[in-house]
Amino acid sequence: ETGVTQSPTHLIKTRGQQVTLRCSSQSGHNTVSWYQQALGQGPQFIFQYYREEENGRGNFPPRFSGLQFPNYSSELNVNALELDDSALYLCASSLETGMNTEAFFGQGTRLTVV
Amino acid sequence: AQSVTQLGSHVSVSEGALVLLRCNYSSSVPPYLFWYVQYPNQGLQLLLKYTSAATLVKGINGFEAEFKKSETSFHLTKPSAHMSDAAEYFCAVRGTTDSWGKLQFGAGTQVVVTP
Repeated sequence: ETGVTQSPTHLIKTRGQQVTLRCSSQSGHNTVSWYQQALGQGPQFIFQYYREEENGRGNFPPRFSGLQFPNYSSELNVNALELDDSALYLCASSLETGMNTEAFFGQGTRLTVV
Repeated sequence: AQSVTQLGSHVSVSEGALVLLRCNYSSSVPPYLFWYVQYPNQGLQLLLKYTSAATLVKGINGFEAEFKKSETSFHLTKPSAHMSDAAEYFCAVRGTTDSWGKLQFGAGTQVVVTP
C-alpha cells in the first residue's frame, strides 16, 4: 500500500461527456502527477501539480485539465471525451525535496469511453 | 529530452532461471533511472532507482540493475525467477533537473514465468 488512493476505480462514460477523476496523495507529499496508460503501453505523463499550480505538462490537449487542493489532493478533468481516452489513469505523489525520494503510485482509475 | 527503450515486449523464463530485462536510455547527460513493476489491475511499484550514486543498484524482491554509461543501459536482473515475478516491468527515466513525479516510461516488458 502506497497511501495514494484514487477514485473511482472503474468508470464508463459516453463519447463527448466530461469526467473527473480524484487522487488523494500520500501524507506529507506536496506534488501530484497524472499519467495515462493505454492498453499495452507504458504510462504517459499528462501533467503535474506542485503546491496547487501546474508545474509541467506532457503532450496532451487542453481538454485535459487538473486541480490541486490545499490538502494536496488532486483532480483530473477530461472534457469532450473521445474513444481514445479509454485508458488506466494513474496518479503519483511525491515530495519535491531532497535526493532520496520517489513517486508513489495509486491503483489507478480504469476509464472506458463508449 | 530523455527517453528509454525496452528491448522485448514479452519475456518467458523458467522458474529458477535468470531474469534479464533490457533498458537503454537516451539523454544528453546521465539521468536518473528507475524500474517499476505492475501486477494486473494494479498501480506501479518501484523496484529500484539509480540516482548517480553506486552504479550497481539493488532493489526489492531480489532484483538489481547496473547503470552502464558507456552502453547507455540500465538492465534489470534477478538470478532466480519465482512464479510471483510474473508481471509487467517498466523502465523509466527522469532528467536530473526534473521533478520526481515527471517520468518518461518505456513501453514495458511482460514477464511470464513457467514452472
